Amino acid sequence: AQSVTQLGSHVSVSEGALVLLRCNYSSSVPPYLFWYVQYPNQGLQLLLKYTSAATLVKGINGFEAEFKKSETSFHLTKPSAHMSDAAEYFCAVSDRGATNKLIFGTGTLLAVQP
Amino acid sequence: DAGVTQSPTHLIKTRGQQVTLRCSPISGHKSVSWYQQVLGQGPQFIFQYYEKEERGRGNFPDRFSARQFPNYSSELNVNALLLGDSALYLCASSLSTSWRNTEAFFGQGTRLTVV
Repeated sequence: AQSVTQLGSHVSVSEGALVLLRCNYSSSVPPYLFWYVQYPNQGLQLLLKYTSAATLVKGINGFEAEFKKSETSFHLTKPSAHMSDAAEYFCAVSDRGATNKLIFGTGTLLAVQP
Repeated sequence: DAGVTQSPTHLIKTRGQQVTLRCSPISGHKSVSWYQQVLGQGPQFIFQYYEKEERGRGNFPDRFSARQFPNYSSELNVNALLLGDSALYLCASSLSTSWRNTEAFFGQGTRLTVV
């Protein structure tokens, strides 16, 4: 069965510092991987997705993630945090089956300190 | 273009009651999926419909049912509500079922509180 594990339910960084949110996946087949962001009382917005093209994926708002098969990881990074990045971030995996069901991790709440 | 719209945005129900949640996908999107997000957790897959047919079902009891209409809008029904059904219910629409050429767009959700 597919799953994702997000290490760290809460991460706090200073404005301008590097953001690193960790995600490890488990999948018996090459997966599709995603990062979503959720602002309070809102739905989810796609930041980026990996679909087996380039292993370094660039997304919106300056975020990027690198697919590392050997480490079964898909960590999300941003070189310089902005106050507006404060939100909850979810890593998700999907298989290549008939549905595009997403399996989400438990989320990481990012706080950005001034 | 309008995004994914869900109604109502909030509702409160009593244990044992039934509830119907509604979702209108983005124009042209034929796939609708439903997710349940309990406070402090990630969303969990409930159903997917594509072209009015059920394509996938998550690990939820038979109290949960859904359908998709000819205009691709969808309803999620939950019978015999339990306190544990309190959650944010998210609807997502996508153009197709292949991640290579589509992405899931989420609505703002319906916040269901069961008392």
